[in-house]
This record gives sequence, structure tokens and C-alpha cells, in this order.
Amino acid sequence: SAVISQKPSRDICQRGTSLTIQCQVDSQVTMMFWYRQQPGQSLTLIATANQGSEATYESGFVIDKFPISRPNLTFSTLTVSNMSPEDSSIYLCSVENPRGLSYEQYFGPGTRLTVT
Amino acid sequence: AQSVTQLGSHVSVSEGALVLLRCNYSSSVPPYLFWYVQYPNQGLQLLLKYTSAATLVKGINGFEAEFKKSETSFHLTKPSAHMSDAAEYLCAVSSGSARQLTFGSGTQLTVLP
Repeated sequence: SAVISQKPSRDICQRGTSLTIQCQVDSQVTMMFWYRQQPGQSLTLIATANQGSEATYESGFVIDKFPISRPNLTFSTLTVSNMSPEDSSIYLCSVENPRGLSYEQYFGPGTRLTVT
Repeated sequence: AQSVTQLGSHVSVSEGALVLLRCNYSSSVPPYLFWYVQYPNQGLQLLLKYTSAATLVKGINGFEAEFKKSETSFHLTKPSAHMSDAAEYLCAVSSGSARQLTFGSGTQLTVLP
């Protein structure tokens, strides 16, 4: 498995501002993923981030709103830009099994974002 | 395309009773299937996974799930519920070369004393 940490664990932000969430993994991984979990809902994939290439965004998510960096094999950031109350969610990063087997993912503890 | 349907957004069982959480999937290629558990204010923990080996999969905390291709199902069971099992349970599928997980809407399990 992999141990994943996220910073910050929670934050309260004003609308119109931006927040950058960090995700750190204790081993080198090829693929990292960013999910959003809106209140009372399941997880929705925002984007897939591979080291050395542009992130791939899912339908409904755009780079201008959710820019992602992936500078190395153990770290990634997700920025939530120009926030509105609708962005209030839990944001989770995950990584694929470092051994590359069976596509299972391990998740960070999440960042709970509240936009006022 | 792949999708997951979890029947029952809320399930309540008595302590000691059988737990059955339903998950049906749709996939155009042989899938990998997963159950995750999410305790309040915590991240997701992998309970168990199906990866085309044995159809009956055993996971942590006494949970198991059976892959039934003919029914496109991967239901989660536990013979005897414990109070500590109260949590959100999420079924997920990964298939083909996409390598991303598609989650169901989740089932909130309540265990009654």
C-alpha cells in the first residue's frame, strides 16, 4: 500500500479566492488522481495527473478552474480557483497501487473546503 | 463506459445480523471491482477487491463479496454486524485501459443495538 498525506486538512475560504491543496505520497507512483466529494454525494473524478505530462480532466472540469501540478513522482497539487460556495466539498487525492497491479487506489485523508 | 449502481442509500441492521450491501456494475470489458469504506471524517479505506481470480473475495473486518458475472453484481456481505461497522460503503469499478475508478453513490450502513 501507500501512505498519503494532504495539506491542509480543512480550510474556510472566501469566495473569489484560490486554495492550493497538496498531496504527498511515501513512494514513487506513476498515476495520481484528484476527486471531489460534494456534501452527501459520492466521489467524482476531477482529473488524472501523470508526472511529466499535462493532467487529463474529466467532463465538467477545466484546467482554468482546477489547475494541477505534478512536479515529481511523489507529489501533486490541486488548486481550486476563483472559489464559490458551490466548491465547498471534500477534495481527495489518490494513487494507484505502486506495484501497478489491479488498478486499486489508495486515498489520502481529504481536504474539507468550505467557501463562504 | 463503466458505471456502478448501489441499491439502497441507507441500510439499517441490528447488531449481530447479516449485512448485505448491493452493487451492480456495467462494463464493456472484464472489470476490476472494489469496495471501500469511509468512516466519518476519515478517508477511504480499501475493504476488498476482485481482480479476475477467485470469485469469492475476502476482505478486512470479516467482509466478503462475490463476483457474479451473469448478474453483473458484486454484493458485499458480513455474517454478523458490529457497531463499529457503521460507515459509508462505496462500490467502484475499473475496466479497460482507463485505470480510473468509477464510484457508486454509496450506502450508509447503520448498526442498531
